[in-house]
This record gives sequence, structure tokens and C-alpha cells, in this order.
Amino acid sequence: GQNIDQPTEMTATEGAIVQINCTYQTSGFNGLFWYQQHAGEAPTFLSYNVLDGLEEKGRFSSFLSRSKGYSYLLLKELQMKDSASYLCAVLDSNYQLIWGAGTKLIIKP
Amino acid sequence: GAVVSQHPSWVICKSGTSVKIECRSLDFQATTMFWYRQFPKQSLMLMATSNEGSKATYEQGVEKDKFLINHASLTLSTLTVTSAHPEDSSFYICSATSGRPSYNEQFFGPGTRLTVL
Repeated sequence: GQNIDQPTEMTATEGAIVQINCTYQTSGFNGLFWYQQHAGEAPTFLSYNVLDGLEEKGRFSSFLSRSKGYSYLLLKELQMKDSASYLCAVLDSNYQLIWGAGTKLIIKP
Repeated sequence: GAVVSQHPSWVICKSGTSVKIECRSLDFQATTMFWYRQFPKQSLMLMATSNEGSKATYEQGVEKDKFLINHASLTLSTLTVTSAHPEDSSFYICSATSGRPSYNEQFFGPGTRLTVL
């Protein structure tokens, strides 16, 4: 079966750095997405990785290792508004998005 | 660019009635639209994939006669929840992509919160 694992919840302090991990086992791989979802709202796109390595975009970076079936989302200089759920999703061989359950990130002052 | 709207934003209805939710791509042509359902504290669950002018492809366990999907144009898809029951209460989200399905970032609508009394 297809499976995506990410921690259920994480807590971090405003101004700090947090890394949210995602591991996956899917039938084929055509890229990995990270989305941010605030409570009661639809997801918004953060990043897409299809090649190994680190993609940096402002305070957010995403890393991918295809051989390890592993990705992480790195958030720097955390702000209170970063409190949200972060969803990892993999595009499988049929180009279907397989979603993780999401990681709820709680930012404390 | 790449804006997707949904209407209504929220709806409350009585058990047994039908509810229609519209999903529109405002500034691009969406060849493929997706309908998701999300229960509280759970991840997105794909219900169906629809391509303009063809029948929707439903995920296993989703009743196609209960959740009617119509993708009549490149900018509009509708989801009709027929004979709604309280267990259908959920957050329904659509997304849309343009062009080929490879890679294509999904642009999400703001979601519709359905409450069935």
C-alpha cells in the first residue's frame, strides 16, 4: 500500500527553527509537495521537490532524498502566523496526489 | 493568477435535502478538477477527479450516486451532495490544475463547510 508518515504535532518557539519530517512509500514518484493549511481554510502551496536536494524559498526550505523516501520542511525565524498544519503529499506513478495526515505546528511566544 | 473560487462558503441544510457546491477557476482553464473532503483534525481525502467533458473518476468507497460531479466547462465543476445526512457534514474543498497532470500544482478553492442537521 501507499503510505506517508509525518508527526502529528510539533511545538516550537517564536523566532526559532523547526524541521517537519515526512517519509513515504508510494507506487512510483513524480514529486513531493508541501502545503500549509490554517484551521478552517484550504491548503496553500509551499513547495515542490522532484530532484534530490534542498530548495530554499525565503524562510521556508524543503529537502528531498528519493533514495531514502524522505523529505523535510524547514521553517526559520518562526512567526506566530506560522501556526498551522503542514501537509506532505506525493505524486505517485499515476500522477495522483497521496496525502499525509498533516503535522500541526504550534508556535509559542 | 491561478485563483479558484467555491460557492457557497458554508451551508446548513436539513437531512434529506440536496446541496450543490460550485468550484470555478477564475483566471485559467482547468482541465482537471479534484474534490476533497476533510473531517475535523484529519487530512484531505480525495473523493473524485473530474476532467472537462467526461465522467468523474471516484475513489474507492465514494458513492457516485450520492456525490454527483459535473465538469461542464473548463472553468466550472459542481459537486451535488444528494439526500444529505448528518454524517456528510464536512469541509469540502475543490482544487484545479491546468494542462497535463504531470507535476501540476493544484490550486485550491477556499472550501465549503457543510452542516447537515
